[in-house]
Amino acid sequence: DGGITQSPKYLFRKEGQNVTLSCEQNLNHDAMYWYRQDPGQGLRLIYYSQIVNDFQKGDIAEGYSVSREKKESFPLTVTSAQKNPTAFYLCASKEQGGWTQPQHFGDGTRLSIL
Amino acid sequence: DQQVKQNSPSLSVQEGRISILNCDYTNSMFDYFLWYKKYPAEGPTFLISISSIKDKNEDGRFTVFLNKSAKHLSLHIVPSQPGDSAVYFCAASARGSSNTGKLIFGQGTTLQVKP
Repeated sequence: DGGITQSPKYLFRKEGQNVTLSCEQNLNHDAMYWYRQDPGQGLRLIYYSQIVNDFQKGDIAEGYSVSREKKESFPLTVTSAQKNPTAFYLCASKEQGGWTQPQHFGDGTRLSIL
Repeated sequence: DQQVKQNSPSLSVQEGRISILNCDYTNSMFDYFLWYKKYPAEGPTFLISISSIKDKNEDGRFTVFLNKSAKHLSLHIVPSQPGDSAVYFCAASARGSSNTGKLIFGQGTTLQVKP
């Protein structure tokens, strides 16, 4: 069954701690994305990657970092520099080829501060 | 600056009736629009899309209308079913962004369909 797997589903972070959210896809998609969702707000783009070993900042990249060493994996690190990390984080992937191929999303990770 | 706006946070509709969800945008460079549906604790799933060269796209019970002059699009669900109860997000892509896949999302509208 092809899809996007995000883990863990729930994550707690202590003050000053870095945490890493996992995103794995077996859809053979080239492009991957990380979004953040806050209550009453839409999804905001954190980082995206169109190809292995390359990634670009989105609209709210400060306090986050990513890597793309493998096509199927795009982990997101929430660093201690992110002062308001409590949110629902969504990972997505997409085939190349314009908008005939929409983004597919994982089920998200909810991050909270202890 | 919210480039994609869904001004109605919630909508309640009786089963069998029409649901109309609205979305406004400000960026005239947007040329492709998508609707996603999201259940609690799950990721959004793609529902329907429309290119700016069209003014209507239909898929079963779902129809999206685009009014470029008003910078407005709407999603019609007919007939509405209780399983349609979810949060609906409108998203837009700017001309030239199709290769990056970057989307701008609205805030979402929570639809409740009552039996």
